[in-house]
Amino acid sequence: SQKIEQNSEALNIQEGKTATLTCNYTNYSPAYLQWYRQDPGRGPVFLLLIRENEKEKRKERLKVTFDTTLKQSLFHITASQPADSATYLCALVSNQAGTALIFGKGTTLSVSS
Amino acid sequence: DAGITQSPRHKVTETGTPVTLRCHQTENHRYMYWYRQDPGHGLRLIHYSYGVKDTDKGEVSDGYSVSRSKTEDFLLTLESATSSQTSVYFCAISDPGVETYEQYFGPGTRLTVT
Repeated sequence: SQKIEQNSEALNIQEGKTATLTCNYTNYSPAYLQWYRQDPGRGPVFLLLIRENEKEKRKERLKVTFDTTLKQSLFHITASQPADSATYLCALVSNQAGTALIFGKGTTLSVSS
Repeated sequence: DAGITQSPRHKVTETGTPVTLRCHQTENHRYMYWYRQDPGHGLRLIHYSYGVKDTDKGEVSDGYSVSRSKTEDFLLTLESATSSQTSVYFCAISDPGVETYEQYFGPGTRLTVT
């Protein structure tokens, strides 16, 4: 069955450092992969989408890479701030219509000042 | 929350009782989804709708039914609630014309079945 894993449940870093979160998947070749942010008590919020033919995508301090050979996506937050503390979810888009998402369990990032 | 409301926001109910959760959107998006989120499992799709009266099952649909009689409303019903259905339920919407396929999530409903 399709499986998506985020490498750690929690990641603690100091302000100003780069946070790197990992998403691995098996038994599937997704056309797209998304990253969402979720704050406690709230619904996830979309951050970025990366396509299988894109190696890297950037948005402000965020960078996402997608390696279809390794079946892995890396999510980087540069110059991290305490306000970046949240849970980050990766999601495979498992059909061409983009309607079927398979979510990872998330990694909770804590940025200390 | 992109024009999505969920009601109720919190509910405690007893095992065996029927429960209906409501999702309402003001974005006129075609697709609507119901997910549940549990510790250790992440977000899992229950049902989704691709138009009025058009619905399909997701990964964890057993014990749940849905209905969509209007574009803006998507109802999730637990016919006979069980303790295993204690969870946080999220509604989401998406527009097939958006190339990022992003889904917009509601604020969630925390359901406790005692």
